[in-house]
Amino acid sequence: GAGVSQSPSNKVTEKGKDVELRCDPISGHTALYWYRQRLGQGLEFLIYFQGNSAPDKSGLPSDRFSAERTGESVSTLTIQRTQQEDSAVYLCASSVDGKGGYTFGSGTRLTVV
Amino acid sequence: AQSVTQLGSHVSVSEGALVLLRCNYSSSVPPYLFWYVQYPNQGLQLLLKYTSAATLVKGINGFEAEFKKSETSFHLTKPSAHMSDAAEYFCAVSGTRNQFYFGTGTSLTVIP
Repeated sequence: GAGVSQSPSNKVTEKGKDVELRCDPISGHTALYWYRQRLGQGLEFLIYFQGNSAPDKSGLPSDRFSAERTGESVSTLTIQRTQQEDSAVYLCASSVDGKGGYTFGSGTRLTVV
Repeated sequence: AQSVTQLGSHVSVSEGALVLLRCNYSSSVPPYLFWYVQYPNQGLQLLLKYTSAATLVKGINGFEAEFKKSETSFHLTKPSAHMSDAAEYFCAVSGTRNQFYFGTGTSLTVIP
């Protein structure tokens, strides 16, 4: 597509439930990032995919968080047993080579109640 | 390894005054540098980028940034602030392997 597409745009879930967030990057973009942005705060790195290399998972805050990406296509971020502190906007960004910068999706606003 | 430091988490300027948002980078390789802007309740938008061509880079909305290797800086400027410039600004650096590092952001307030 023309841009990075994220779905859903908003998600309200009950504490303890699992959620799955989707990111559809720009076609041909080999690099993909997930970030978390809590209200009024900066970007918190979660995970980085580059082509078929092993992902950099060093930013995942706990083992409740996981992400997958098949090849250079869609990525899903899964949060198990959600907690209230997981409430944030989850942003996905992709790039063809990093030199031109990353294109961000509009994010998924997750609210855990 | 690459990293960026944004000096000043909050900057306030009067409408019509110069905007200066500071960014210093650390990189072991020639860096690619970027400024992103995030307006309230919106996603991140690329403002401008430096990719080893001209050291003075012009972006959207009248912003520009100058790459200074000797100072390892990439400060963002705008000659005259407008109310619509109020937003969060993020500096970022990209190096080898497409890895991408953001600063912690600077919130710009424009005072009428």
